[in-house]
Amino acid sequence: GENVEQHPSTLSVQEGDSAVIKCTYSDSASNYFPWYKQELGKRPQLIIDIRSNVGEKKDQRIAVTLNKTAKHFSLHITETQPEDSAVYFCFFKGGGNKLTFGTGTQLKVEL
Amino acid sequence: DSGVTQTPKHLITATGQRVTLRCSPRSGDLSVYWYQQSLDQGLQFLIQYYNGEERAKGNILERFSAQQFPDLHSELNLSSLELGDSALYFCASSVGGTSYEQFFGPGTRLTVL
Repeated sequence: GENVEQHPSTLSVQEGDSAVIKCTYSDSASNYFPWYKQELGKRPQLIIDIRSNVGEKKDQRIAVTLNKTAKHFSLHITETQPEDSAVYFCFFKGGGNKLTFGTGTQLKVEL
Repeated sequence: DSGVTQTPKHLITATGQRVTLRCSPRSGDLSVYWYQQSLDQGLQFLIQYYNGEERAKGNILERFSAQQFPDLHSELNLSSLELGDSALYFCASSVGGTSYEQFFGPGTRLTVL
């Protein structure tokens, strides 16, 4: 089965609100948890990542949190802006070099 | 610009044909990954190479094959093409080893008619 589940599949927020996207994984093999952003018609780009030895990492309006006990990691975007509208993917490397991107979250920031 | 290049940008071909997609990784990166992204679909991992050797295999069809050459560029070969193979094919590269921080190329849009 899949190593990672991503929710929600779509998310609509008002400009200035916060957005949270969560990925849940099933095995404990990985120590690296990144998030990618893909704007329409463009390539995916790494926006933030975290290693398993820390619980949270922030970069301006973006943060990633990791809960190893519950086996999930989340992307937090604060003070959302229209340019944050995109599809966001988590990535997970499971045991046996199994590489999986989450199913994606379509974020829409409305004016 | 990520530093990863892919050619061609677009490819239109017929069912049953064979095509080759090419990828050049960022300077210094040893790992290359191939992904397939169909319309409204996520990123499906196909295969990874590290310094010329296959490192990981995902849901890659037997009709598809890939290789990484001594100069570290990679090619993805798709044969006996079907309509369902129409998709955006991305290549990504990373330093390799234990690093999975991937930088993506612009993709090749394949249309099978």
